[in-house]
Amino acid sequence: SQQGEEDPQALSIQEGENATMNCSYKTSINNLQWYRQNSGRGLVHLILIRSNEREKHSGRLRVTLDTSKKSSSLLITASRAADTASYFCATTGNQFYFGTGTSLTVIP
Amino acid sequence: DAGVIQSPRHEVTEMGQEVTLRCKPISGHDYLFWYRQTMMRGLELLIYFNNNVPIDDSGMPEDRFSAKMPNASFSTLKIQPSEPRDSAVYFCASSRDRNTGELFFGEGSRLTVL
Repeated sequence: SQQGEEDPQALSIQEGENATMNCSYKTSINNLQWYRQNSGRGLVHLILIRSNEREKHSGRLRVTLDTSKKSSSLLITASRAADTASYFCATTGNQFYFGTGTSLTVIP
Repeated sequence: DAGVIQSPRHEVTEMGQEVTLRCKPISGHDYLFWYRQTMMRGLELLIYFNNNVPIDDSGMPEDRFSAKMPNASFSTLKIQPSEPRDSAVYFCASSRDRNTGELFFGEGSRLTVL
């Protein structure tokens, strides 16, 4: 990808379990954002974390950022079937680049 | 606001034909981005505009691709001539701020070149 890689590429969990996705990037950033994409739809913004922040919460979402390791993680707690989607991290520095995405399947 | 509007949603064309994809960004957003999404390459940034001016088109794959933004409410991405490897979903997105703002995506234009 032009900037980052998500890990794992695919994740399948039972409803109610937590889902963790990781993102690694290559260059310095201003902030990092996570997006969600339902099948056949455009991407939707979930959460933004600035380069000087280490952790951020929004509802069932928890994002961490480690600029020394150039990595971020997205945790979705108490997953629901409706969380089934692909999740992308996006970095903004000189550009607005997206990672390769994690495909999450939540089994009811 | 209606969000970012893209047309057409689906386009099937034959190799060699010209394809024009259209985008209407959210009013007041100064930045407009064109992305291409494929299974093999993921989301690729093709070009972005600031205040209707192309800032970086280094992601445009070839001279066959061109993009314009004649005014703040309209942009086009043109492929001429189209090739089967251009088959992908093309997304337009707009933002109020390049560095700190979130991107608002359209629903995409799915292009199939036969």
